[in-house]
Amino acid sequence: DQQVKQNSPSLSVQEGRISILNCDYTNSMFDYFLWYKKYPAEGPTFLISISSIKDKNEDGRFTVFLNKSAKHLSLHIVPSQPGDSAVYFCAASAQNTGNQFYFGTGTSLTVIP
Amino acid sequence: NAGVTQTPKFRVLKTGQSMTLLCAQDMNHEYMYWYRQDPGMGLRLIHYSVGEGTTAKGEVPDGYNVSRLKKQNFLLGLESAAPSQTSVYFCASSYSMRRGQTEAFFGQGTRLTVV
Repeated sequence: DQQVKQNSPSLSVQEGRISILNCDYTNSMFDYFLWYKKYPAEGPTFLISISSIKDKNEDGRFTVFLNKSAKHLSLHIVPSQPGDSAVYFCAASAQNTGNQFYFGTGTSLTVIP
Repeated sequence: NAGVTQTPKFRVLKTGQSMTLLCAQDMNHEYMYWYRQDPGMGLRLIHYSVGEGTTAKGEVPDGYNVSRLKKQNFLLGLESAAPSQTSVYFCASSYSMRRGQTEAFFGQGTRLTVV
């Protein structure tokens, strides 16, 4: 059973606007959450993370929000750029599960110039 | 700095053949992982290792074996390949959680087709 879910397989956004990617999880023991970006024919690259003791983490144009009560996190990209077009995976881990990272199914973001 | 290197990058196997995928990391990471990526399924953990000489099963371990004889290398073996193992395989590595929360670094992937 998928413990990390990304219910939107794809998203299209105009350049300069905000992109919001969503992720839900079911395991309440998860305490660390990450977003990865993946271009075709490349491996995923780390983008931003958040610990469960925080509800927001910001890095330049990227902000991740965590709502623990709803078991939901989101990635905001502002402003969106054509180079942001990629597949975005969210991932989660729990300290008591031996460092395993559980990934969602990914959201393909297209930023239209 | 090479990071995580996977070999080979592409391979076509016939059903029943065997092969080994090699992963090497130069970041002195304790943990290493093998994932497979399939359309609509995201990244699923096959096996992982928390240190030299240790391995553990992930979400989808059946049909695969692994070995971690050296800290920097993690091998994934397919003893008798099946068409269901057609996938893109990613190796990753990370520091131990005991060092604090950390991210995994991924290799470029191996595209395997079993015919």
